[in-house]
Amino acid sequence: AQSVAQPEDQVNVAEGNPLTVKCTYSVSGNPYLFWYVQYPNRGLQFLLKYITGDNLVKGSYGFEAEFNKSQTSFHLKKPSALVSDSALYFCAVNNNAGNMLTFGGGTRLMVKP
Amino acid sequence: DADVTQTPRNRITKTGKRIMLECSQTKGHDRMYWYRQDPGLGLRLIYYSFDVKDINKGEISDGYSVSRQAQAKFSLSLESAIPNQTALYFCATSRRSSGGYNEQFFGPGTRLTVL
Repeated sequence: AQSVAQPEDQVNVAEGNPLTVKCTYSVSGNPYLFWYVQYPNRGLQFLLKYITGDNLVKGSYGFEAEFNKSQTSFHLKKPSALVSDSALYFCAVNNNAGNMLTFGGGTRLMVKP
Repeated sequence: DADVTQTPRNRITKTGKRIMLECSQTKGHDRMYWYRQDPGLGLRLIYYSFDVKDINKGEISDGYSVSRQAQAKFSLSLESAIPNQTALYFCATSRRSSGGYNEQFFGPGTRLTVL
């Protein structure tokens, strides 16, 4: 069975500082990894995904994520946080034979001015 | 995503009532999904459909049923609602793929409260 762990319920960062939201995964076969963001009273929005190729993936709103196969991690990063980045972030995994996307429990990002 | 709509957006019902949540999409996607979101548990898949005649159970299908009336419409029913079905429900869509590499597009959600 595939699974995703987001070890931090909440991450606090000051505006302008770099941010990291952690994600580790477990899956058989090659992983397809996704990050989504949820703003209050909204559905999830796709940020970026890793399918194959370059381990550093760039996505929307200046976010990027690094795939690390040996550590089975896919951490979300941004060089300079904005207050408007405050939201709930979900990591998700599927495999190349799978039909179901498995989500982590979510990490709330709080960016303070 | 405005291309995926859900009705109603909020619903309060009583234990034992039957309730239907509806989802419509204008993205032209073949695949549609129903999830529920509970605090700290992320999203869990209830049912998914790869086309009108292909419906599959997800991780937590007990107590739920679905109907794919057309490519663009996918409804979720709670036959006899119970309080632990109180949650935020999301519909999602995706393009067809041979593997699971296409991202999903989510509706705005339906907040359901069962008293």
